[in-house]
Amino acid sequence: GQNIDQPTEMTATEGAIVQINCTYQTSGFNGLFWYQQHAGEAPTFLSYNVLDGLEEKGRFSSFLSRSKGYSYLLLKELQMKDSASYLCAVRAGSFVGYALNFGKGTSLLVTP
Amino acid sequence: DGGITQSPKYLFRKEGQNVTLSCEQNLNHDAMYWYRQDPGQGLRLIYYSQIVNDFQKGDIAEGYSVSREKKESFPLTVTSAQKNPTAFYLCASISGQINQPQHFGDGTRLSIL
Repeated sequence: GQNIDQPTEMTATEGAIVQINCTYQTSGFNGLFWYQQHAGEAPTFLSYNVLDGLEEKGRFSSFLSRSKGYSYLLLKELQMKDSASYLCAVRAGSFVGYALNFGKGTSLLVTP
Repeated sequence: DGGITQSPKYLFRKEGQNVTLSCEQNLNHDAMYWYRQDPGQGLRLIYYSQIVNDFQKGDIAEGYSVSREKKESFPLTVTSAQKNPTAFYLCASISGQINQPQHFGDGTRLSIL
């Protein structure tokens, strides 16, 4: 089975940097994904990590350490529109058709 | 434009009634998934299908049924056996490559009358 933990809520100021952590325990690992989800909407893909290290994409970066079962999403130059839920998801093995196992999400509030 | 279409956007179910949620994709993706999301919760896997005419139960399949008669379509039926169906339902798909993210439809919000 898999267990994914991330903080429930975070608050940060517009223009600042915020780091959202995710820890996981899995019996099969085929990559870690970060999604953004605004209230009442579908999740949208942000980043993918399968090897250790940092992946940078504009204002968003994601880091993975497979040995520690740890990832983080870094958001720079925060904007009000970044207020959303951020979901960490681990891709399981082929025995579940490579389905994603999601954490409960971190609700980020960006304040002026 | 390619994508995943879910309908309806909002659905109301009477007690004892079965309802079907539609999911259609024109991305030519092989694998399709149904997730359920409750307030403040992550997405939980209901059913998935890797090829036509084949599907497997996920973590919370009880009270739900699916079919995969065509590659483009993966409808989900919420049966009367599902006693707590109120939730946000999301359909997703991926191509055959495991490094690709899941693409999601816009979701269907189901409520009990």
